[in-house]
Amino acid sequence: AQKITQTQPGMFVQEKEAVTLDCTYDTSDPSYGLFWYKQPSSGEMIFLIYQGSYDQQNATEGRYSLNFQKARKSANLVISASQLGDSAMYFCAMREFPGGKLIFGQGTELSVKP
Amino acid sequence: DVKVTQSSRYLVKRTGEKVFLECVQDMDHENMFWYRQDPGLGLRLIYFSYDVKMKEKGDIPEGYSVSREKKERFSLILESASTNQTSMYLCASSPPQDNSPLHFGNGTRLTVT
Repeated sequence: AQKITQTQPGMFVQEKEAVTLDCTYDTSDPSYGLFWYKQPSSGEMIFLIYQGSYDQQNATEGRYSLNFQKARKSANLVISASQLGDSAMYFCAMREFPGGKLIFGQGTELSVKP
Repeated sequence: DVKVTQSSRYLVKRTGEKVFLECVQDMDHENMFWYRQDPGLGLRLIYFSYDVKMKEKGDIPEGYSVSREKKERFSLILESASTNQTSMYLCASSPPQDNSPLHFGNGTRLTVT
């Protein structure tokens, strides 16, 4: 069965520094997708970045990049040049293809310090 | 922009009441989902639907049912609310493609007393 694990309940980072949020997953399916979401204190879920299991390159979206290590089954989110507005909960999620359910990790609460 | 609207932001109900949580999306998405979010547990899938009148159980369907009579509307029903159903409930929708991200509503915080 598919499983997603985020082992860091909370993290602190200094403003303007880079931070890595860990995500490991377990699946026996060769075809799947990985998603990261941000949830600020307002509660809305904001989609950040997507990585497909067959994608040759690591995904990037502005200050967000995904460190995808398929053999290790990890999909860590890297946020460069942290900003105060990056303080939020971050969720990693995975879906097996085709037609699988999107399941989420437990989340990591990131606090950016000025 | 995709808009997913949940009818209530906060809801307080009594144990044993029948509770309806409504969700409407305006982007003609085929897929709709209900999750609940609890601290330390992340989001857990309750039910989802790939089409009108279709429904599939998620990981924690016990105590819940759903209804999808129209494509844009997906309702979550708590037949007899219990205190352990106090939680944040999130509705989402997406196109049918597997690599499409889900678009979420702002959530309904339900308290059952």
